[in-house]
Amino acid sequence: NAGVTQTPKFRILKIGQSMTLQCTQDMNHNYMYWYRQDPGMGLKLIYYSVGAGITDKGEVPNGYNVSRSTTEDFPLRLELAAPSQTSVYFCASSYQNTGELFFGEGSRLTVL
Amino acid sequence: RKEVEQDPGPFNVPEGATVAFNCTYSNSASQSFFWYRQDCRKEPKLLMSVYSSGNEDGRFTAQLNRASQYISLLIRDSKLSDSATYLCVVKAGKLIFGQGTTLQVKP
Repeated sequence: NAGVTQTPKFRILKIGQSMTLQCTQDMNHNYMYWYRQDPGMGLKLIYYSVGAGITDKGEVPNGYNVSRSTTEDFPLRLELAAPSQTSVYFCASSYQNTGELFFGEGSRLTVL
Repeated sequence: RKEVEQDPGPFNVPEGATVAFNCTYSNSASQSFFWYRQDCRKEPKLLMSVYSSGNEDGRFTAQLNRASQYISLLIRDSKLSDSATYLCVVKAGKLIFGQGTTLQVKP
């Protein structure tokens, strides 16, 4: 049972490049989330999904896109990377909207 | 005022000490409360939920004070392995994470 798996763990991007952060979970959870964490700050919600085919914006969605074609996968797309997107990105899932989240190990992204 | 506020610390304590963290929240309609633990450069992991009557899990005790809008986490007999950042999380419709309180337990 792998839980929540994110790839890649590290990535360096140039300004203007695009990339996709992959996230998959094998717990059959309906809810999935993408957060970013900047140094000394709390986690900020980027996008979330309550089930396959349904996504919604969180607090800081600008510059990102998501899709949820299956229960297991919830990729995060960065279009036209900017230095302000340098952060650690965490994918998480939960069975219901309870607040009990399972996180992936994180993806450290640097935009230069 | 931040929706969820924590003293960032760091709290430096010797092994065996008792340490307490507080977390205040601004939304009186908040429904659920949690403490997560995050080790350095790792993902957050749920430590414990916080129930209205207070709850205990081994050396850890969580309390909720709805009137004053704060939750607390008490760690007794601190271990070196307790060194981490402790995140206060409040659910008011959406989940709101505090910035975390860093604990360093020294030998």
